[in-house]
Formats: sequence, C-alpha cells, structure tokens
Amino acid sequence: ETGVTQSPTHLIKTRGQQVTLRCSSQSGHNTVSWYQQALGQGPQFIFQYYREEENGRGNFPPRFSGLQFPNYSSELNVNALELDDSALYLCASSLSDKRDEQFFGPGTRLTVL
Amino acid sequence: GQQLNQSPQSMFIQEGEDVSMNCTSSSIFNTWLWYKQDPGEGPVLLIALYKAGELTSNGRLTAQFGITRKDSFLNISASIPSDVGIYFCAGQAGGTSYGKLTFGQGTILTVHP
Repeated sequence: ETGVTQSPTHLIKTRGQQVTLRCSSQSGHNTVSWYQQALGQGPQFIFQYYREEENGRGNFPPRFSGLQFPNYSSELNVNALELDDSALYLCASSLSDKRDEQFFGPGTRLTVL
Repeated sequence: GQQLNQSPQSMFIQEGEDVSMNCTSSSIFNTWLWYKQDPGEGPVLLIALYKAGELTSNGRLTAQFGITRKDSFLNISASIPSDVGIYFCAGQAGGTSYGKLTFGQGTILTVHP
C-alpha cells in the first residue's frame, strides 16, 4: 500500500509569485484535504476535494485554490504569495465514508521571501 | 472559529514514566483523533475515537473520548526514547464540518534516557 506523497519537498518563492504544490493520495483513497501548518502551530484546514470538486473550505482567501484529478491526486495553488504564506503545507487523504480518518503526507515546506 | 486547547504545551520526562495530555474544546465534536509528528514529517494517526466515553488502546497508548464530547485524553505508558515528538489532538464536528479537522497547538514530548 502506497502512502501519501507530496512534491516538491521544499520551495522558495518571492512575494507576489504563484506556487503549485502536488499530492498523490494513498492508494484506494478518493478524498484529499489540504492543511497549512505554521511554525510551532497545529495544522489549519484549507479545503477538501472529493469527486474533483471542492467539498468544504476553511478560513483561507480565494487566492488559495485547488484541483483534484480523476486519479484522486490533487494540487494546491496559491497566487500573489505573501510572507505569511511561509509554512509547511500538508496533504491528507481519506476514504469518502471515513473523511475524518485522514492520513498525512510529509508536507511541502514553502518559504516566501 | 473552533479552538482546541491542548495541555500541557511541553513535557520533559524520564524514560519509563507514564505521560498524560489532554485537549478541550468550546464546542462538541463527533470524532476525536490523536496524531504524532516527528521533525520534518507529516502527522501520523495514532488513535481515532468515535463515541462519547469510548476508551481505545494502541499498544502503550490509550485515548478516551470525553463524556461531554468536548474533551479527549491521551496516555502513554512506560515511555521510551522514540516517543519523543509533538502530539496533536484533532476534532471533527460533523454536519457541514464533516472531514474538516480542527487541531490543537500540540504537546512537545521530550524523553530523557
């Protein structure tokens, strides 16, 4: 059984740029959630994707957007990067009927300069 | 939004000691989960709890879903050096929040050999 994978591992961007982060869900899982984890904090829910549609969103502005593909993999896009967007971005996958039992990938560390 | 208060913030214990940590919420959750996060990695699911009053074990770990549905506890017995890490509680409210996990701030555990 393959676990959740994310790419890239690390990324450095400058303010105002755009970034795309990628996630492959655990095999058999059809639901993907994205979280932002600032240093020293717990993860914060960004949004969840199921059947290629956004299915729940946290308190994040529209410049945070996502996609889910037919193979259940997902992308997180962030436009107009701000310094406060520097964080560890975590992807978690789950089964649609067990969306609370989420399994996390290793994360992408984004630094905005 | 919902807040989870996790305590203690950090713990320094001797190998072999037992550890207790807890999490409280201002609102009711349908699911409580406990995760462990090692440096540079994503959170790993330890225990999931689905019913008020439920007591569940996973090896040396035991967690309980509080009767009021507003709290949860995690105990680690006979700690070992590899227990070092950050422990997070997470809750899920259900309804329109199904699949959206709210995390505590984490408990940093240090185990001295």
